[in-house]
Amino acid sequence: AQSVTQLGSHVSVSEGALVLLRCNYSSSVPPYLFWYVQYPNQGLQLLLKYTSAATLVKGINGFEAEFKKSETSFHLTKPSAHMSDAAEYFCAVSAGDTGTASKLTFGTGTRLQVTL
Amino acid sequence: DAGITQSPRHKVTETGTPVTLRCHQTENHRYMYWYRQDPGHGLRLIHYSYGVKDTDKGEVSDGYSVSRSKTEDFLLTLESATSSQTSVYFCAIRGPRGSPLHFGNGTRLTVT
Repeated sequence: AQSVTQLGSHVSVSEGALVLLRCNYSSSVPPYLFWYVQYPNQGLQLLLKYTSAATLVKGINGFEAEFKKSETSFHLTKPSAHMSDAAEYFCAVSAGDTGTASKLTFGTGTRLQVTL
Repeated sequence: DAGITQSPRHKVTETGTPVTLRCHQTENHRYMYWYRQDPGHGLRLIHYSYGVKDTDKGEVSDGYSVSRSKTEDFLLTLESATSSQTSVYFCAIRGPRGSPLHFGNGTRLTVT
């Protein structure tokens, strides 16, 4: 079984400040890890994914995440927040990408607020 | 954007009535999924399909059934809607190995 824990349901940062959204995972096999973003009244959009290649993964809109096996973490960062980054962010894990292993398990989400 | 269309986008129904939500894709992808999104719970998998007529249960499948008679359509049915099924429902599709899930824009269902 796999699971994801996102620490902090709400995070507020000032525009231009560092964004750090925390995600810890649990998986009995090497995980596939994802970050998705959801803007109001929209579906989820993939930000980035880790699938056992480089541990530092770069995504869209200046976001990146680092896979740390020893800490079972996959935190999302962005050096400088922009007002347009305000959204809800979801971390997700799967055990693979075929058959039943392809099911994604999501965290409960972190709502990012960006203030002036 | 991946070609996924969910219908209807909004629906209000009464307790005890059957409801069917439709997910239609134009990508010819093998995998399709139904999730529900509720505050404080994130997204939870209801059912998924890995091919025509091949479906399996997710973590919150009670009260829901699915059908996939052709590649492009994945139907989610609430046989007898309850207020606890008020939620936003998302369909997702996935392409070849290594590709991520792509989500539709969701269906907001209210059961009164």
